[in-house]
Amino acid sequence: NAGVTQTPKFRVLKTGQSMTLLCAQDMNHEYMYWYRQDPGMGLRLIHYSVGEGTTAKGEVPDGYNVSRLKKQNFLLGLESAAPSQTSVYFCASSYEPGRRKYTGELFFGEGSRLTVL
Amino acid sequence: AQSVAQPEDQVNVAEGNPLTVKCTYSVSGNPYLFWYVQYPNRGLQFLLKYITGDNLVKGSYGFEAEFNKSQTSFHLKKPSALVSDSALYFCAVRVGNTGNQFYFGTGTSLTVIP
Repeated sequence: NAGVTQTPKFRVLKTGQSMTLLCAQDMNHEYMYWYRQDPGMGLRLIHYSVGEGTTAKGEVPDGYNVSRLKKQNFLLGLESAAPSQTSVYFCASSYEPGRRKYTGELFFGEGSRLTVL
Repeated sequence: AQSVAQPEDQVNVAEGNPLTVKCTYSVSGNPYLFWYVQYPNRGLQFLLKYITGDNLVKGSYGFEAEFNKSQTSFHLKKPSALVSDSALYFCAVRVGNTGNQFYFGTGTSLTVIP
């Protein structure tokens, strides 16, 4: 059981380049999230999804796009990378509140470190 | 607005001594509170949660946390610290059933000194 898997784990971009981070979960979770972690700022929610085909903005969505074409995958895209997007990105997933299996917790991937030069 | 505050960026404690990592929150409605731990170059791992019921909740690795409604606090505690407890600790509050969104504190780096 792999849990939540993020690819790639490391990436260096030049300003203006585009890229996509892939998150895959094998726990049949309905909800998926993308966070960024910056020193002294904790984790901030970028976008999230409550189900296949649906996405919503979080706290810091500007400069990012997401897609959830399959229940198990959640993609985070940067169309034109900026140095301010240098960060560690975490994907997380959870069951839907109200489901019998719901425990409230989030399950995290191991992170993707992105550097934009 | 929902928020979580961790007033200490860094906590140092000697091995074997009790440890406390502080967290205060501000939410509308009933709070759903969580503690997560992050080891170097790893994702966050769930430690414990408070949803309802007893104010003292017990979690993984011997950690516990006390919910104090009057002080709006949810401090993480452990009676006897281990060197292996050294990590980054995050307090989080869940807001709303729709979206199951979490707000995280800025994190507290715990160092247990041998």
